[in-house]
Amino acid sequence: EAGVVQSPRYKIIEKKQPVAFWCNPISGHNTLYWYRQNLGQGPELLIRYENEEAVDDSQLPKDRFSAERLKGVDSTLKIQPAELGDSAVYLCASSLGSGYGSGRNEQFFGPGTRLTVL
Amino acid sequence: QKEVEQDPGPLSVPEGAIVSLNCTYSNSAFQYFMWYRQYSRKGPELLMYTYSSGNKEDGRFTAQVDKSSKYISLFIRDSQPSDSATYLCAMKVAGANNLFFGTGTRLTVIP
Repeated sequence: EAGVVQSPRYKIIEKKQPVAFWCNPISGHNTLYWYRQNLGQGPELLIRYENEEAVDDSQLPKDRFSAERLKGVDSTLKIQPAELGDSAVYLCASSLGSGYGSGRNEQFFGPGTRLTVL
Repeated sequence: QKEVEQDPGPLSVPEGAIVSLNCTYSNSAFQYFMWYRQYSRKGPELLMYTYSSGNKEDGRFTAQVDKSSKYISLFIRDSQPSDSATYLCAMKVAGANNLFFGTGTRLTVIP
C-alpha cells in the first residue's frame, strides 16, 4: 500500500515569491494534517482536516498561508508571499479519523517538502 | 515554556550500548504517548505507542511512562548503527487528534 505522497520534495524560491505543496494521503484516511518542522525542532501542526473541512487551523498564519482539501482527498498548502522565516520542512500526515474508536488513530507521515527561501 | 521538553542531544554511543531517551511534559491531560523515529530526509514513523502509565516492550525497544512525574522514556538495547536517527516524543489528549512533539534527540550509533 502506498504511503503519504508529497511533492515537490525540495523547493528553493526567493522571498516574496509564492509556493505550493501538494499531498496525497493514504487511501481511506479521512484526517489530513499539515505540519511545519523547523531545523532541529519537532513538527508543529499548521492545520488539520476532517474530510474536506478544516477543523483546526489555529496555528496557520492566515495572512500568507492558505490550504485546501477539495473532495476530501488531496490537499494543497500555499504560501504567498514567502518570507525568509518560512524555510522549513513541510510535512503532511494522514490518519483514519477520529471516529474510529481507538484513541490511537495513528498518524502516517509523508517524506516532507524541504523549502528554502532565499 | 513548551508543553513537551526533550533534550536535543546530539547523543553518540558505541554499537551495543543501551540508549536512554527522555521527555518531560507539563499538560497532565496527556494520555497517549508516542515515540517516532525520523531518518534524515524522511518523515517521522511511529516506533512505540503507550497509553497512560506503565511500560511497553517491543524487541530491543522499551517505552516507559511515569504520569506522576510527567516523564517518559525510550530505551534501546543492543543499539545498532541502523538506529542512528532523530527520535521524537509525542503525546496527545484522550479523544483529540493533535499531537504535541518534543524537539527530537539526534542519536548516532558508532560501529
